[in-house]
Amino acid sequence: GENVEQHPSTLSVQEGDSAVIKCTYSDSASNYFPWYKQELGKRPQLIIDIRSNVGEKKDQRIAVTLNKTAKHFSLHITETQPEDSAVYFCAANSGGTSYGKLTFGQGTILTVHP
Amino acid sequence: KAGVTQTPRYLIKTRGQQVTLSCSPISGHRSVSWYQQTPGQGLQFLFEYFSETQRNKGNFPGRFSGRQFSNSRSEMNVSTLELGDSALYLCASSLQYMNTEAFFGQGTRLTVV
Repeated sequence: GENVEQHPSTLSVQEGDSAVIKCTYSDSASNYFPWYKQELGKRPQLIIDIRSNVGEKKDQRIAVTLNKTAKHFSLHITETQPEDSAVYFCAANSGGTSYGKLTFGQGTILTVHP
Repeated sequence: KAGVTQTPRYLIKTRGQQVTLSCSPISGHRSVSWYQQTPGQGLQFLFEYFSETQRNKGNFPGRFSGRQFSNSRSEMNVSTLELGDSALYLCASSLQYMNTEAFFGQGTRLTVV
């Protein structure tokens, strides 16, 4: 089955710096890669996603890149703000008949210091 | 448009009991998935339902089961509860089956004592 590895597990940056979180996946048939942000005590919220037919997608200060050949994708947050502090999860769907199943990475705790 | 609604928000049960959790998806969404979130294991897929049929199942014992009704609402049941079943159970709603955005509910915090 699909396996998703996420790094780093914790990331500490100063306000205004950039943050990068990286994930690798194992199932070459995966074609959908969402990123979720989860604040303490709250639900995971979808912040951006990318499909396998594109290499990069941007939404204001966040962007995601996908390298299908290397089977890795990354989340980039620019001009970080204290409110970006949260746990970030990457995920990948499974191929074949399991497209609806998301496998999540272990999460990255991002702390943005004012 | 209302979001994904899960009830109850909190539950305390004793070992050996069973529990039923409920999820109402976003209006118009037909796919419902369930995930277990724990500090040690992270977010793990339990199962997915679409059109009242289980489409996918994760690696959980048979004590975990679910169903979906004709109005797309879903329930999951855990029988013979164990201490290790203590977790946040999250339901995710998607418009269609396969490869579409999944939106999570607030979750049900289950504590087994």
